[in-house]
Amino acid sequence: GAGVSQSPRYKVAKRGQDVALRCDPISGHVSLFWYQQALGQGPEFLTYFQNEAQLDKSGLPSDRFFAERPEGSVSTLKIQRTQQEDSAVYLCASSLEWLTGELFFGEGSRLTVL
Amino acid sequence: KQEVTQIPAALSVPEGENLVLNCSFTDSAIYNLQWFRQDPGKGLTSLLLIQSSQREQTSGRLNASLDKSSGRSTLYIAASQPGDSATYLCAVRQETSGSRLTFGEGTQLTVNP
Repeated sequence: GAGVSQSPRYKVAKRGQDVALRCDPISGHVSLFWYQQALGQGPEFLTYFQNEAQLDKSGLPSDRFFAERPEGSVSTLKIQRTQQEDSAVYLCASSLEWLTGELFFGEGSRLTVL
Repeated sequence: KQEVTQIPAALSVPEGENLVLNCSFTDSAIYNLQWFRQDPGKGLTSLLLIQSSQREQTSGRLNASLDKSSGRSTLYIAASQPGDSATYLCAVRQETSGSRLTFGEGTQLTVNP
């Protein structure tokens, strides 16, 4: 596709439920990032992939968060046993070049945990 | 730890005014700096990317400058329009932390007709 695509756009989960958020990067982009954005704040880094390799996962807030990109294209961010504090917008971005490339973001997935 | 600060947090101007948004960062070891625009309920739209070796970039009515040594960047918007109303975010790509992008909190701009 022409841009980064994320699904679902909106997700409401009951506390304790598992959720999976999907990101389709721009075709050919080797780098993929996940960010979490709380209301009124700037995005916070979660994790980063170079092709299928997860090079940095230091931003994941707990071991309930897990991300994968098995074939170096589509990525999934999974949150197990969701808590209310997980409510946020989850943004995915991709770039063509690893270190100096421009990042392009998707529309985000808004997660609300009740 | 890299810290990115944006001033002002909010700005309201009349249509047609030229304006400057400021961004500062504490660690000058960066690959580049990127300015984004975010509309309510939407993702981030890339506006300008400045590599660390560059001093400025221009796109239409937007001009971004970078002074890497002093840890500062400005986004200049000429002849502002109501359609420019949005939150503007700056982000730096660090050399020292696995190339993550670190964001400021943003400047919420309102351009009044």
